[in-house]
Amino acid sequence: DAGITQSPRHKVTETGTPVTLRCHQTENHRYMYWYRQDPGHGLRLIHYSYGVKDTDKGEVSDGYSVSRSKTEDFLLTLESATSSQTSVYFCAISEDTYSGQFFGPGTRLTVL
Amino acid sequence: AQSVTQLDSHVSVSEGTPVLLRCNYSSSYSPSLFWYVQHPNKGLQLLLKYTSAATLVKGINGFEAEFKKSETSFHLTKPSAHMSDAAEYFCVVSDTGGFKTIFGAGTRLFVKA
Repeated sequence: DAGITQSPRHKVTETGTPVTLRCHQTENHRYMYWYRQDPGHGLRLIHYSYGVKDTDKGEVSDGYSVSRSKTEDFLLTLESATSSQTSVYFCAISEDTYSGQFFGPGTRLTVL
Repeated sequence: AQSVTQLDSHVSVSEGTPVLLRCNYSSSYSPSLFWYVQHPNKGLQLLLKYTSAATLVKGINGFEAEFKKSETSFHLTKPSAHMSDAAEYFCVVSDTGGFKTIFGAGTRLFVKA
């Protein structure tokens, strides 16, 4: 399995609080992605990174920001969490843009 | 614009019978296509990928998929289902750049003993 971890694995928080999820890889892959998974929607891309300090928005980026200061770490921040951001968040990595992605175990976030 | 439609939200088969999970796509460019599997409470695992080489793609665990450009389809098949195949399967399309990855809504496969 690709070396990719996510922390925390579970989090419960309250509306209006900031939340940061961390993705860490040991594969030295260039590309990293954050998705959210909701029933009936499959996975939807939030943000992605194509190098250190190089990031861009995905399909559902409103309310989220990201940072990548090192190759191995990709942080997803919810500046002010809302109940609509209750979801399972997956990080993924890839060596290039056409070979497929490797996924982390996911973070279950509940916003009350 | 890209899109992916998985034609069945649920498929139920008996152990030992063939599996067919259907996927249609839309893409303005030559797409890369993937199938991923997700077992309960697990992350996603890449089953197979099509990236403009052979149109019949073989993946892990006996799965294969055929790219049919004329039908814009990329259906996933397996000759004989096993109980361990019970999971959710996602068809995925990405453009030539690969960033704009679009997932289908998923097909849940049930395997009966």
